[in-house]
Amino acid sequence: QVQLVQSGAEVKKPGASVKVSCKASGYTFTSYGISWVRQAPGQGLEWMGWISAYNGNTNYAQKLQGRVTMTTDTSTSTAYMELRSLRSDDTAVYYCARDGIVVVVAALTHFDYWGQGTLVTVSS
Amino acid sequence: EIVMTQSPATLSVSPGERATLSCRASQSVSSNLAWYQQKPGQAPRLLIYGASTRATGIPARFSGSGSGTEFTLTISSLQSEDFAVYYCQQYNNWPNTFGQGTKLEIK
Repeated sequence: QVQLVQSGAEVKKPGASVKVSCKASGYTFTSYGISWVRQAPGQGLEWMGWISAYNGNTNYAQKLQGRVTMTTDTSTSTAYMELRSLRSDDTAVYYCARDGIVVVVAALTHFDYWGQGTLVTVSS
Repeated sequence: EIVMTQSPATLSVSPGERATLSCRASQSVSSNLAWYQQKPGQAPRLLIYGASTRATGIPARFSGSGSGTEFTLTISSLQSEDFAVYYCQQYNNWPNTFGQGTKLEIK
């Protein structure tokens, strides 16, 4: 069965960086892209960006351009999301989510499987 | 970017009754619309994609309809496990955007 297992909770100071991992299993990793979606406490869902697990192409939300980097390691079927220059309003649960279809154009897709989420707390 | 507006913000319904949730897009998204269910402390779960196609393993009491700018999620006979927050998401225009959610609570 498809599973996305994320790394554990993190506490960071403002200005620091965080790197969250998402290990996939139960399917051919390179056949589907991965998006990252975050959810601030008590708030809705915000799409952060997408990476193709096939060729590493990325597509980031405009507001995060320059602060976020998404990568994959196909040898371990793991996707990573690094967010730099953390601010208090980056405090959120971060989810990885698998594309709902194999061929995705411009990172536009629904998401059929989600990781369990990683809480990142930014506090001085 | 396309703004997705869900209504109502909170819906109170009794178990066994029908629930109707709405989602409106600020411009046409064709049928590129998904619905998710999220329970406290859990990740979202895909219910519907393509506006009306149920995802794998989703019970038939969940149905989606609509196209263009107006969409509806209907739960025909509410079970106790259906009380949760529901989000719509458009994936027709970059970037993907979500509605703010409708909380479905027990009446």
